Amino acid sequence: GIQVEQSPPDLILQEGANSTLRCNFSDSVNNLQWFHQNPWGQLINLFYIPSGTKQNGRLSATTVATERYSLLYISSSQTTDSGVYFCAVVNNNDMRFGAGTRLTVKP
Amino acid sequence: DSGVTQTPKHLITATGQRVTLRCSPRSGDLSVYWYQQSLDQGLQFLIQYYNGEERAKGNILERFSAQQFPDLHSELNLSSLELGDSALYFCASSPGPWYEQYFGPGTRLTVT
Repeated sequence: GIQVEQSPPDLILQEGANSTLRCNFSDSVNNLQWFHQNPWGQLINLFYIPSGTKQNGRLSATTVATERYSLLYISSSQTTDSGVYFCAVVNNNDMRFGAGTRLTVKP
Repeated sequence: DSGVTQTPKHLITATGQRVTLRCSPRSGDLSVYWYQQSLDQGLQFLIQYYNGEERAKGNILERFSAQQFPDLHSELNLSSLELGDSALYFCASSPGPWYEQYFGPGTRLTVT
């Protein structure tokens, strides 16, 4: 099946810093989503982005489907951004998640 | 709040038992998905239903089954439970198959 790799696995930032999270996938995908799992375990939908670029406040995402990767940008990070960020892709009627990037934002 | 509800929030049971997890999708969504999140396996897709019909199957064990009812709520049945089934079980919904998904708060299952 399709492989999904996220990098970096862990990221520690000072409040106010910017960051880029990457998701690589091994095959073509029908769609791709980015999620944030907060410290209470809730999975929050950030972007549905099979291709192109989207922005939502301090967050933006870009997917280059032909090159099989997606990037999530977080600008001016806040402590509430802490948690695990997952990308998930759909391929062949199956959804696969990456292992996630654990982000810690320090005040 | 995603609009997806799951009950119960927590469940503690013994090995060999059977449990049922319940999910109500967002208003208007016809697709329901079930996922398992465990420390060793990460997040895994189990099964998808669309308007009452099974549409896709992932890594769902034979001891597990699900269904979607006419009112679109869904249930995930886990039987002959083993210690390794302890996990967080999420339900998600979307307007159609593999559209943008919204997740419920999850049910934390502990098998002792």
